[in-house]
Amino acid sequence: AQSVTQPDIHITVSEGASLELRCNYSYGATPYLFWYVQSPGQGLQLLLKYFSGDTLVQGIKGFEAEFKRSQSSFNLRKPSVHWSDAAEYFCAVAPGGGYQKVTFGTGTKLQVIP
Amino acid sequence: DARVTQTPRHKVTEMGQEVTMRCQPILGHNTVFWYRQTMMQGLELLAYFRNRAPLDDSGMPKDRFSAEMPDATLATLKIQPSEPRDSAVYFCASAPLNTEAFFGQGTRLTVV
Repeated sequence: AQSVTQPDIHITVSEGASLELRCNYSYGATPYLFWYVQSPGQGLQLLLKYFSGDTLVQGIKGFEAEFKRSQSSFNLRKPSVHWSDAAEYFCAVAPGGGYQKVTFGTGTKLQVIP
Repeated sequence: DARVTQTPRHKVTEMGQEVTMRCQPILGHNTVFWYRQTMMQGLELLAYFRNRAPLDDSGMPKDRFSAEMPDATLATLKIQPSEPRDSAVYFCASAPLNTEAFFGQGTRLTVV
């Protein structure tokens, strides 16, 4: 069965600093990988996705993520964090072939300090 | 701007009462998902439909939960009878075939 691990429950960064959120997955083949963001009281919004091809994917709001098969990782990065990036971030994995049995990680809550 | 619409946004009910949550998926999306989010369990997939047919509801407690799609514009999730442990945020999401899902804003259910 597929699984996702987000080892950091809570991260605090200063505005303008760089950010990296970790995500490790377990799946037998190459999965579909996603990062979603959830602001308080809101639903989840897709930041970016990886299906195949270039292992460095660009998303919205200046985020990017890199798929590393050898490390079973899909870490999310942003070079300079803005206060509006404070939210909860979820990594998710699905079997290749579409958005079906998507498994979400437990989330990482990002706090941005001025 | 197409979006998934869920109603109600908030619901407080007494234990034992029936609760119905509704979802209007994005027009043209043929896959609809129901998720539940709690602090303890995180995001859990309860059920999903493709072309209105249930494909998987293995994540849903069968004795009290039911999910249906009466038509392509409406999905419902019903709990009868409700229990305090059902308190959670319930999300509906819809997707075109084989791509990412778009989430609604959720229904926050409190069972007292």
